[in-house]
Amino acid sequence: GESVGLHLPTLSVQEGDNSIINCAYSNSASDYFIWYKQESGKGPQFIIDIRSNMDKRQGQRVTVLLNKTVKHLSLQIAATQPGDSAVYFCAEKKMNSGYSTLTFGKGTMLLVSP
Amino acid sequence: DSGVTQTPKHLITATGQRVTLRCSPRSGDLSVYWYQQSLDQGLQFLIQYYNGEERAKGNILERFSAQQFPDLHSELNLSSLELGDSALYFCASSVAGSYGYTFGSGTRLTVV
Repeated sequence: GESVGLHLPTLSVQEGDNSIINCAYSNSASDYFIWYKQESGKGPQFIIDIRSNMDKRQGQRVTVLLNKTVKHLSLQIAATQPGDSAVYFCAEKKMNSGYSTLTFGKGTMLLVSP
Repeated sequence: DSGVTQTPKHLITATGQRVTLRCSPRSGDLSVYWYQQSLDQGLQFLIQYYNGEERAKGNILERFSAQQFPDLHSELNLSSLELGDSALYFCASSVAGSYGYTFGSGTRLTVV
């Protein structure tokens, strides 16, 4: 598959550990954020989203935390599995030519060892 | 299978050439987005179409153009290709008002 993570920050964890992936965003006016997962050779896949009127949102094994004061977003993955190994991107809704589109961060590579 | 289909999966071409990348959105999605992904720039938004009309424009070079057809499929045209255009090109689609984009598997473009 394609490698997109050669120059990315990397988080290495053991199977079963909890993982925390962080993201800083730039626009204090952003009101919507999404986490995407990209496995090797595939396109980004939606994981979970959160609106700015929330501080926390939980999904299956994943939790997103939003700290608007410091413009920080985090993705927590519980009981990390080898299948969670991928590049994770945060994205924020931004205005572009009068329309809203998603702007992606640089990404973090998560490596899970058995 | 995400429901978004991109062809071809791989493309190798020479500098100065022109190529066309094709995207079929997920059934029912009216919006199509094109992104470029390179190792040093991450995922860069290029352009969005909604129901055949151009909407948002990002970091798209003048050598690049796109269109969305009545059947909602979209094409991204890249001309006068340079080595630096080598990248993964992703298409995504969404329903109106949604930001939960569904991405295709991408086209890997290599310019030699």
